[in-house]
Amino acid sequence: QKEVEQNSGPLSVPEGAIASLNCTYSDRGSQSFFWYRQYSGKSPELIMFIYSNGDKEDGRFTAQLNKASQYVSLLIRDSQPSDSATYLCAVRRDNYGQNFVFGPGTRLSVLP
Amino acid sequence: DVKVTQSSRYLVKRTGEKVFLECVQDMDHENMFWYRQDPGLGLRLIYFSYDVKMKEKGDIPEGYSVSREKKERFSLILESASTNQTSMYLCASSLPGQAYYQPQHFGDGTRLSIL
Repeated sequence: QKEVEQNSGPLSVPEGAIASLNCTYSDRGSQSFFWYRQYSGKSPELIMFIYSNGDKEDGRFTAQLNKASQYVSLLIRDSQPSDSATYLCAVRRDNYGQNFVFGPGTRLSVLP
Repeated sequence: DVKVTQSSRYLVKRTGEKVFLECVQDMDHENMFWYRQDPGLGLRLIYFSYDVKMKEKGDIPEGYSVSREKKERFSLILESASTNQTSMYLCASSLPGQAYYQPQHFGDGTRLSIL
């Protein structure tokens, strides 16, 4: 089983809709989780992090964490064409350093 | 803002050459990382370093080595380049410690082609 799994997509949503991106992880001891956005040909940029169960909102983005079920999701409300990118889920591997493991990414396409 | 600078955006080398990829960060971060990114495989960790002179193997260290002589600089070395090392290479840095929320900050990447 891969450490971090994501549906590779592409996930297509119409402009203005809610995009839902999911990520599951295998290490039950994982503590913190990050969502990165990567535009084609560019480097990943941090969108959000979450480490407590429940929801965390930042503007149009909401991260949801359920440690019992070992999944983390990212909701994008009022999706815009500029949100079209690959979204990477990253899980911090250990509690003492900054060693992350990344999922393969989900490609999101927001259709005008 | 954190600035992570990779020395080359695009690089073309020949099989068997020794290749150096340089990365410099300007935020006094202790931690630095080298990844490669390939379609369908995502980001895979090659090597990382939590301090000067220190290095740790990541998930795919074979065929690579690293050097961290100064805190701000982390170099990735392909000892004898092979075609299967053609990839996008990304450098990242972060603050140390147990803080749950410390993200990694990435450079713009080096697209390396081995002919």
